[in-house]
Amino acid sequence: GESVGLHLPTLSVQEGDNSIINCAYSNSASDYFIWYKQESGKGPQFIIDIRSNMDKRQGQRVTVLLNKTVKHLSLQIAATQPGDSAVYFCAGSVSGTYKYIFGTGTRLKVLA
Amino acid sequence: DSGVTQTPKHLITATGQRVTLRCSPRSGDLSVYWYQQSLDQGLQFLIQYYNGEERAKGNILERFSAQQFPDLHSELNLSSLELGDSALYFCASSAGGGLAATGTQYFGPGTRLLVL
Repeated sequence: GESVGLHLPTLSVQEGDNSIINCAYSNSASDYFIWYKQESGKGPQFIIDIRSNMDKRQGQRVTVLLNKTVKHLSLQIAATQPGDSAVYFCAGSVSGTYKYIFGTGTRLKVLA
Repeated sequence: DSGVTQTPKHLITATGQRVTLRCSPRSGDLSVYWYQQSLDQGLQFLIQYYNGEERAKGNILERFSAQQFPDLHSELNLSSLELGDSALYFCASSAGGGLAATGTQYFGPGTRLLVL
């Protein structure tokens, strides 16, 4: 079935370094993707999204890259800070289906 | 604070029982989504309502049902509860009914359900 999965369950990064979190999806019809951040005890929080007609989108300290050829997307966080410690989810959907498929999440640990 | 509220925050009940989880979307949002988050399965989409009507169904069990009321708040009803139903249940809202059109879903803080 459809899946959106993350390559690594835990990523440890030194404070100030850049973080890269990866995500693979299986449904080639997926044309919209979102990255969410979930801190302990809280609900997921929108970070950034990207449509399939783009291969890169930048936000504040975050960049999402989309490679449709290999069905892969990544979230890059620049100058990682302790407040970035959280679980990060990618989610994909197909326009008009009203459903997201979420990955299981990657836990980002920022080391001081 | 996302603007989405959920009650109760915690719920402990026994197998076979029935519970109701409540969600109030952000002001002005017409769509409400329900998700289940368990340790081994991540976030699973259950169901979506848009302006009172069911719009999409995900992996929702027949023992579960939901509705959205005229004031746009929503309730998720879980019946004949089993141990495996223990999870975090999230509600999210968005402005429109099509995810690709509106993009962002705003999540509530969740209800932690423990079935003993």
